[in-house]
Parts: sequence; C-alpha cells; structure tokens
Amino acid sequence: DIQMTQSPSSLSASVGDRVTVSCRASQMISSYLNWYQQRPGKAPKLLIYAASNVQSGVPSRFSGSGSGTDFTLTISSLQPEDFAVYFCQQSYRLPPTFGPGTKVDVK
Amino acid sequence: QVQLVQSGTEVRKPGASVKVSCKASGYTFIKYDIHWVRQATGQGLEWMGWMNPKIGQTGYAQTFQGRLTITRNTSISTIYMELSSLRSEDTAVYYCARALRVGELSFDYWGQGTQVTGSS
Repeated sequence: DIQMTQSPSSLSASVGDRVTVSCRASQMISSYLNWYQQRPGKAPKLLIYAASNVQSGVPSRFSGSGSGTDFTLTISSLQPEDFAVYFCQQSYRLPPTFGPGTKVDVK
Repeated sequence: QVQLVQSGTEVRKPGASVKVSCKASGYTFIKYDIHWVRQATGQGLEWMGWMNPKIGQTGYAQTFQGRLTITRNTSISTIYMELSSLRSEDTAVYYCARALRVGELSFDYWGQGTQVTGSS
C-alpha cells in the first residue's frame, strides 16, 4: 500500500494568516492527490482533487500544488470556518490511503 | 441535490455482525461507485471497500477480506455494508462516499456517518 505522511501534525494560526500543509507519498503518484477538510462531528469534505483542482463550491482561498511525491495545500487567508482537520489522500491505486491529518486550530 | 443518507447508530456484542445502509438520491444511482471508509474516534480515515452499483462489482481492503460484504438494492438506490465477527477495534464511525467519476478514487459526496460500537 502507498503510505501518506503529513506535516505538521498540528498548527496554530490566526484569522487572516496564510497556512500551508504538506503531504508526502511513499512512491510516485503523479497528480493523484486529494485534500479533504473535516470539522468536528462531520464527514470529510472534498476541497481539492487531482492535486490542484478546486472542487465546485469550495472558496478560492484554498489551493493545491505538487506532483510526484510532494504536495501542498495552501489557505491564502484563514477564515473562522477553516479551523478543522485536513487530510490528504492518494487516488493513484487501490487501496486509496489517507494521511494522518493536520489539525489547524486557533492561536 | 446529491445526498447519501446512512442508517443509525448500532451497538453489537463482539462476534456479532452489523449491516449499515447508505441511500443515495439526487443523481443516477448506477453511474457512480460507492466506497466505505471508517474512522475510529480521534483517528484517521481507513478505506474498507467499494462497489460499482451498475454491475455489482466489489473490492475489499485486505484488512477486511472475509469479514466485509458490500451489496446493493438498485430498486431503492441503496448500498449496504456488512461487517462480521465484530471486535472492539471495529468501534468507529462508518462512512459511505461517492466516487467523483467512474473508476476514480476521489470522493465528492459523503454520508453523515454511522457510529458502530462493538462492546459486551
């Protein structure tokens, strides 16, 4: 199975901050990388698919980049509703695997 | 609008089975694969398996081979996930999720989650 790692595991930020979350795959996955946001008690929500495509309805402050093994999720200006856990996930091959998550909380 | 609505909380004794349903609406049921993902409290996301509702093809994670069965009832646009020989480690929230496109492993719509507790 392809292993996914994320860094940092948690970060503290303020509203308006630029936030960056990193994800690394254990092998090359081209651009088959997705990002999800999960708020407490809720199901994950797809933010970014295929590394850099913003899902319909997702605010433009979210962006994704990278290919191969290293990927980045960027929130350009953090909003109150963005305090949540963010997961990356490879969709290159079965089984799809998720990173351990990055918790973004209030500084 | 697309919705996946799951059945409610389940409590089972170790060794028992549990069956969770996922009813789809707002789109053509047979056109999109459905996957199952679980999450133990405070933990990450673990993929379990999938089904192509049009042809009934399924695939399961190695971890669950022999214990997991995914079925469907196309007349009511519902997918079922049955996990047998439950153990305490199976206590988790179980989600169904729709694939973004046929054959893809990106998930654009998720059910609300079903809490399954394995406890004596």
